[in-house]
Amino acid sequence: GENVEQHPSTLSVQEGDSAVIKCTYSDSASNYFPWYKQELGKRPQLIIDIRSNVGEKKDQRIAVTLNKTAKHFSLHITETQPEDSAVYFCAASNRRGSSNTGKLIFGQGTTLQVKP
Amino acid sequence: EAGVTQSPTHLIKTRGQQATLRCSPISGHTSVYWYQQALGLGLQFLLWYDEGEERNRGNFPPRFSGRQFPNYSSELNVNALELEDSALYLCASSLGRTFFSSGANVLTFGAGSRLTVL
Repeated sequence: GENVEQHPSTLSVQEGDSAVIKCTYSDSASNYFPWYKQELGKRPQLIIDIRSNVGEKKDQRIAVTLNKTAKHFSLHITETQPEDSAVYFCAASNRRGSSNTGKLIFGQGTTLQVKP
Repeated sequence: EAGVTQSPTHLIKTRGQQATLRCSPISGHTSVYWYQQALGLGLQFLLWYDEGEERNRGNFPPRFSGRQFPNYSSELNVNALELEDSALYLCASSLGRTFFSSGANVLTFGAGSRLTVL
């Protein structure tokens, strides 16, 4: 069945360092890959997404890369700040035409701690 | 613009009872999704409604059910509550499935309803 594996489950970095979170997906029909950030006690919020026709996307300090052949995608955060501390979830979905399942399959989450 | 709203914020029930959770999507969104977020288990897909119909459901028993009303709000019902049903239930909305291929399919989440089963 559909599955998304996310690693690592916890990540601790010093302020200013980079953080990388990796995900793999099982459904080769997946074509939409969002990343959500969930701060403690708050709702998940979309921070960046990528579609299968793009290999990389960047938005200021965050970037996402996608390797469709290997079914991998990764989140990169540069120059980390304490306010980046949160749980990050990757997700995958097939949203094309008649195969549209309408659901996002989420990874298990990565707790990122940025130490000042 | 109002975001996705959920009620109640907190709900305490005992084993065997029924719980009803409600969700109002963003205006203009016709798709509503329900997710269960139990401690340490990430977000597990429960149900997807689009334009009043159930379009997909996750690997949950039939005692998890719901519906979508003509105004696109939605209700999640959990019957015969078990202790392991204790979790944060998140609702999300998006534009309808006819918009998916154009890319206008971002999910926006509500703040969730915390269900505690004693």
